[in-house]
Amino acid sequence: ETGVTQSPTHLIKTRGQQVTLRCSSQSGHNTVSWYQQALGQGPQFIFQYYREEENGRGNFPPRFSGLQFPNYSSELNVNALELDDSALYLCASSPTMTRGELFFGEGSRLTVL
Amino acid sequence: AQRVTQPEKLLSVFKGAPVELKCNYSYSGSPELFWYVQYSRQRLQLLLRHISRESIKGFTADLNKGETSFHLKKPFAQEEDSAMYYCALREGTSYGKLTFGQGTILTVHP
Repeated sequence: ETGVTQSPTHLIKTRGQQVTLRCSSQSGHNTVSWYQQALGQGPQFIFQYYREEENGRGNFPPRFSGLQFPNYSSELNVNALELDDSALYLCASSPTMTRGELFFGEGSRLTVL
Repeated sequence: AQRVTQPEKLLSVFKGAPVELKCNYSYSGSPELFWYVQYSRQRLQLLLRHISRESIKGFTADLNKGETSFHLKKPFAQEEDSAMYYCALREGTSYGKLTFGQGTILTVHP
């Protein structure tokens, strides 16, 4: 069984640029969540996608947006990057209609200069 | 709004000693509580959840609704328990939305 994979693992951007992060969910999982983890902090929920629709959003501005594709893979897009967007971005998948665990990827580390 | 607090950023114990990682939460409804763990150079993974009432790797955690706590305990710590531990809360039916604490780094010395 393939776990959650994320790409790229590391990237550097400058303020004002845009970034797209990608996530492939674990086989059989159709719910994907994205988290931002700043240095020294716990992960913070950005949003969740279920069957290609956003289904829950945390306290993040609209310049954070996402997509989920028919194969349940997902993208996180961040526009107009700010220095504070520097963080580890985690993707997690879970099986549909269960109250089970989240399966996390290894994350994409974004540095904004 | 829900909140999860882990008061200890760092916790050090010696091998064989008991260990307790504290977690307190604030939430108006019936929470679902979890402990996630991240070992060195590994991804974040579930350790245990309160609804299962199970012991994983010798760890247990009891949900105390009166004290709004979900402390993680192990009677005899092992060196391989050294890791970052996160307490997390899930509300309602938003399966993917967890509220995490700031985490506790546990170091078990030989």
